[in-house]
Amino acid sequence: EAGVTQFPSHSVIEKGQTVTLRCDPISGHDNLYWYRRVMGKEIKFLLHFVKESKQDESGMPNNRFLAERTGGTYSTLKVQPAELEDSGVYFCASSQDLGGGIGVNEQFFGPGTRLTVL
Amino acid sequence: SQQGEEDPQALSIQEGENATMNCSYKTSINNLQWYRQNSGRGLVHLILIRSNEREKHSGRLRVTLDTSKKSSSLLITASRAADTASYFCATGPSGGYNKLIFGAGTRLAVHP
Repeated sequence: EAGVTQFPSHSVIEKGQTVTLRCDPISGHDNLYWYRRVMGKEIKFLLHFVKESKQDESGMPNNRFLAERTGGTYSTLKVQPAELEDSGVYFCASSQDLGGGIGVNEQFFGPGTRLTVL
Repeated sequence: SQQGEEDPQALSIQEGENATMNCSYKTSINNLQWYRQNSGRGLVHLILIRSNEREKHSGRLRVTLDTSKKSSSLLITASRAADTASYFCATGPSGGYNKLIFGAGTRLAVHP
């Protein structure tokens, strides 16, 4: 079974440019999450999709970040325009829907996309 | 802040020794999970312990959870050089939220 995949693995852009990160979750996983780790700090939650709906986007830092999951399969995270402080590693994770409304579930992480904004 | 904290920040041991890492958190949780990250790679899930559990084992891993102290520990027995990695605890808050809240991690180095 293929794991969570992310593309690209690395991206180097200049301040003010746009970058789009992609995440393909494990097939059949309804839940998809974005996290990021910037400047060697803690890994922080960005948002959570259940299928194509945003369940929780409380961690999105500002309106320069736009996440989509059209069709409930893969997801994209666009940063526009990118700023220096956006540099870091962006992780995607997915998990099954265990039902019952409350998730006590293992999240499978992708390898991450390392974003460098110059 | 709901951030967990691991200690120590860095741990250096010899192969065959045991490694213990601790994690503290601040809020009520549904579960606590431990992850490993090898240099430059993704996070690998190690073990999940629910809030109503006190101890869990998986191979050479032993995790304890003390909800009264809001703390957890990860013990790796008979360590190997391949265990060298960063280890993170992540809490799943109670209240129906699925997001994980990560600590800063412990860097473990196991020397042959």
